[in-house]
Amino acid sequence: GAGVSQTPSNKVTEKGKYVELRCDPISGHTALYWYRQSLGQGPEFLIYFQGTGAADDSGLPNDRFFAVRPEGSVSTLKIQRTERGDSAVYLCASSLTPASGNEQFFGPGTRLTVL
Amino acid sequence: AQSVAQPEDQVNVAEGNPLTVKCTYSVSGNPYLFWYVQYPNRGLQFLLKYITGDNLVKGSYGFEAEFNKSQTSFHLKKPSALVSDSALYFCAVRDGGAGSYQLTFGKGTKLSVIP
Repeated sequence: GAGVSQTPSNKVTEKGKYVELRCDPISGHTALYWYRQSLGQGPEFLIYFQGTGAADDSGLPNDRFFAVRPEGSVSTLKIQRTERGDSAVYLCASSLTPASGNEQFFGPGTRLTVL
Repeated sequence: AQSVAQPEDQVNVAEGNPLTVKCTYSVSGNPYLFWYVQYPNRGLQFLLKYITGDNLVKGSYGFEAEFNKSQTSFHLKKPSALVSDSALYFCAVRDGGAGSYQLTFGKGTKLSVIP
């Protein structure tokens, strides 16, 4: 079946601009996660949704970052007033449910470059 | 707090030889442990996990990992390496007793299998 999809695959923007990154999880997966991967590092947790609500947003670096999942499926990560330090690959993952140690399935990522 | 250490940035092994990629972890509660592999320009792919039960876990593509509670380790192994195994490998941990479901990843280990 279809895996996690993310659009766009690449996004180049200028410092100070607003960007939206989209994630379409595996059908039927109730849990959705956003991570950020900088060059040479492992993914770092940003936010986790169970259904429509953000159950844990402790990884969001500051209030310029915001994410929504209004219908419990597709999610959008929104970054305001982008900074050069926001440049990274943004990964989305989904799991059947968060419990019982279900593995997370990752999308291919969106590479964000802030000039 | 939870953390993962992958002490080797790079591991080189000859094709046909056994391989080991090391991982140690720190977590307050019960550890849920995962290995993922990342090929160039592709997303993270799930390899295997330890949640409970047998300490030796078998996963995809002939990989296995051994959970060692006393040494807080979860090393990835394969009896006979293939050139196609060359990739970036990430170990991840989650606290199975906590309310959050975020994964904490190591920095990754680049595996190079030499023909």
